[in-house]
Amino acid sequence: GAGVSQSPRYKVAKRGQDVALRCDPISGHVSLFWYQQALGQGPEFLTYFQNEAQLDKSGLPSDRFFAERPEGSVSTLKIQRTQQEDSAVYLCASSLTGTVSAEAFFGQGTRLTVV
Amino acid sequence: AQSVTQLDSQVPVFEEAPVELRCNYSSSVSVYLFWYVQYPNQGLQLLLKYLSGSTLVKGINGFEAEFNKSQTSFHLRKPSVHISDTAEYFCAVSGRGSTLGRLYFGRGTQLTVWP
Repeated sequence: GAGVSQSPRYKVAKRGQDVALRCDPISGHVSLFWYQQALGQGPEFLTYFQNEAQLDKSGLPSDRFFAERPEGSVSTLKIQRTQQEDSAVYLCASSLTGTVSAEAFFGQGTRLTVV
Repeated sequence: AQSVTQLDSQVPVFEEAPVELRCNYSSSVSVYLFWYVQYPNQGLQLLLKYLSGSTLVKGINGFEAEFNKSQTSFHLRKPSVHISDTAEYFCAVSGRGSTLGRLYFGRGTQLTVWP
């Protein structure tokens, strides 16, 4: 596609429910990032993939958060047993190469509300 | 680790006036610096970046920023703003030696341009 696509755009989950958020990066992009943006805050790093390898997951806030990118393209961020503090916009970004000079393109995000 | 401080959460300005959005960073290593813009219901879009070389960086839409290593600043400027510049602006830093492309964001500055 023309850009990074995320789905769903909006998700309301009851506390304790599991959710899965999808990211379709730009075709051919090697690097993929997930960020969490709480209301009134800047995005915060969650995890990073280079192709199918998860090279950095140091930003995942708890073991309820899990991300995968099994074929080096589409990625899924899964949150188990959602809590109210998980309410945020989840952003996905991809870049062509694994270098810092490569521009990261962001999707529109998935707004998760846990009630 | 790196951190970013955006000193102003909101900046109101009249159309055709100049504007400066302030950004200071903290890092124990050399850094790369970025400014992103987020229009309502859209993803983050790269405005400009500093990787090396000239400390004055020009970006899209008439914006520019100057890297000042001694003051650890990377302020964004535009000599004459338009209504269409109304958006949220994020300063970000990536440290050399950390996960390539991992960005640390500030909390954002809402720029509102009034007619």
